[in-house]
Amino acid sequence: EAGVTQSPTHLIKTRGQQATLRCSPISGHTSVYWYQQALGLGLQFLLWYDEGEERNRGNFPPRFSGRQFPNYSSELNVNALELEDSALYLCASSLYSYEQYFGPGTRLTVT
Amino acid sequence: GENVEQHPSTLSVQEGDSAVIKCTYSDSASNYFPWYKQELGKRPQLIIDIRSNVGEKKDQRIAVTLNKTAKHFSLHITETQPEDSAVYFCAAYQAGTALIFGKGTTLSVSS
Repeated sequence: EAGVTQSPTHLIKTRGQQATLRCSPISGHTSVYWYQQALGLGLQFLLWYDEGEERNRGNFPPRFSGRQFPNYSSELNVNALELEDSALYLCASSLYSYEQYFGPGTRLTVT
Repeated sequence: GENVEQHPSTLSVQEGDSAVIKCTYSDSASNYFPWYKQELGKRPQLIIDIRSNVGEKKDQRIAVTLNKTAKHFSLHITETQPEDSAVYFCAAYQAGTALIFGKGTTLSVSS
């Protein structure tokens, strides 16, 4: 069974640009969660998508947004990038929202 | 909202010793408590979890205990090995939300 995949592995952007990150869940999983892992801050919840709908979001500004496609894959968009957005962005998928399995992450660097 | 505190932030043990990591949560509605292990440069991996209707769960050398009254749960690793060295995260979850993580414990096992 293939695990959660994410692309790209690394992304380098300049301040003010937009970044798009992609996630493919485990086959059969309908929920996708996005987390930000910044140095020293642990994992912080960003967004939750289930059955194509945004179900909940964490304490992040509206420039963090995303969507879930009919095949349950998801993308995270970050607009007007700021230096402090530099982090590892992890997505996780689950079937019943309890056991969540993580992808390898996308390392976003904002210069 | 839910808040999870995790202690200690770093833990050093000798190979063969036991290691204990403790977490407390604030919201009594949380009913699922997973533990993740993250090795350097890798994705967080679910190693064990417990639901609120269970007090203890074991899987070989690892065990998790839950005290709902005190709102705390702990990870116990026995007979530690060098490959147990990693960052361990606890989390709390309630339906309709997302995993709320502690800030992590860096476990170092020296041989």
